[in-house]
Amino acid sequence: DGGITQSPKYLFRKEGQNVTLSCEQNLNHDAMYWYRQDPGQGLRLIYYSQIVNDFQKGDIAEGYSVSREKKESFPLTVTSAQKNPTAFYLCASSIRGWNTIYFGEGSWLTVV
Amino acid sequence: AQKVTQAQTEISVVEKEDVTLDCVYETRDTTYYLFWYKQPPSGELVFLIRRNSFDEQNEISGRYSWNFQKSTSSFNFTITASQVVDSAVYFCALSEEIGGGSNYKLTFGKGTLLTVNP
Repeated sequence: DGGITQSPKYLFRKEGQNVTLSCEQNLNHDAMYWYRQDPGQGLRLIYYSQIVNDFQKGDIAEGYSVSREKKESFPLTVTSAQKNPTAFYLCASSIRGWNTIYFGEGSWLTVV
Repeated sequence: AQKVTQAQTEISVVEKEDVTLDCVYETRDTTYYLFWYKQPPSGELVFLIRRNSFDEQNEISGRYSWNFQKSTSSFNFTITASQVVDSAVYFCALSEEIGGGSNYKLTFGKGTLLTVNP
């Protein structure tokens, strides 16, 4: 089945550690996105990528980094510089030039 | 700046009741798109509908209907004869062109938690 796969579903991290969330899609979409969701809040854009080897900061990029070496993959690294990393992270993708965005199942990150 | 307001934080209804979720938006764009997504307890956001600013016709899909009124900047969502499986958080979103064109981001409201009780 075509879709967006995020892993792991649940992740615990100690303070001061970096952690990488995986996002893979087999929809042949050019554009990929990372959103963050906090309880009772809407989604906020962290980073997006329109094509391979290119990505742009979203509204809340501080403390995060990404790479886009392959069309199918857009991993997100939550660095120790992110002051409040505990949240639900959603990866998404879309056809370039088309504004309907499809989401993965999300990853819960908890800092302990 | 774009803004989406979902004033209803939580709604609770009894099964078979009709329920309307409100969405009000702000944008300076003349062309824009509005969306509704459903987020069940599993967490994934499920796309429900996309509507462009030039199409003010109401849309119906089974028990779901959407009322777009440009004059009041609203894009409301009605579920008729609600069911327990409709329980979820529902998000309204507004598209914004980014990155020099040909790509978009979505600005989301804070969501409305709908609980349908048996």
